[in-house]
Amino acid sequence: QKEVEQDPGPLSVPEGAIVSLNCTYSNSAFQYFMWYRQYSRKGPELLMYTYSSGNKEDGRFTAQVDKSSKYISLFIRDSQPSDSATYLCAMSGSDMRFGAGTRLTVKP
Amino acid sequence: GAVVSQHPSWVICKSGTSVKIECRSLDFQATTMFWYRQFPKQSLMLMATSNEGSKATYEQGVEKDKFLINHASLTLSTLTVTSAHPEDSSFYICSAHSSTDTQYFGPGTRLTVL
Repeated sequence: QKEVEQDPGPLSVPEGAIVSLNCTYSNSAFQYFMWYRQYSRKGPELLMYTYSSGNKEDGRFTAQVDKSSKYISLFIRDSQPSDSATYLCAMSGSDMRFGAGTRLTVKP
Repeated sequence: GAVVSQHPSWVICKSGTSVKIECRSLDFQATTMFWYRQFPKQSLMLMATSNEGSKATYEQGVEKDKFLINHASLTLSTLTVTSAHPEDSSFYICSAHSSTDTQYFGPGTRLTVL
């Protein structure tokens, strides 16, 4: 079993839709949880960074962490075509692990 | 699934020495590899983009003479930290792009410079 599982998609939604991206993990030692957005062949950019269970909101983005279920989510409200990218979840404790990334397309 | 390995997984060295980190794509060819570093409790920072057979493209603020990157084959890229100092201590991660533009991350190398 991989330490971090993320559905690679692809996921296609119409503009304005709410997008839900998810990851599960198996290592309870992970303490920090991150979501990155990556455009094709570019380095990932950090979107959200959390370290506790619960919700964290930043503009149209909400990150949710449930440590008891070992499950994290990223919600994108009012999705835009410019949100089309690959979204990577990542988590770290003593080391860092990434999900496979979910490829999202928002259609105008 | 595709696998990317890094070697070593951790290394401790004395200040002033050079350290080489290898990144290998085990079952696919990667024309592009990325090198990142992460400081504790901080996000990932892209250091450079490595293309097979050509010079690496470094991000602003990354010293190319200090962090030497070689991408000699489609399955191997190396990062050499030259004359390492304690401030170079970090977690270094590589990623490799497959022909389908899927990115796979290595497990990382933890460097500690004494």
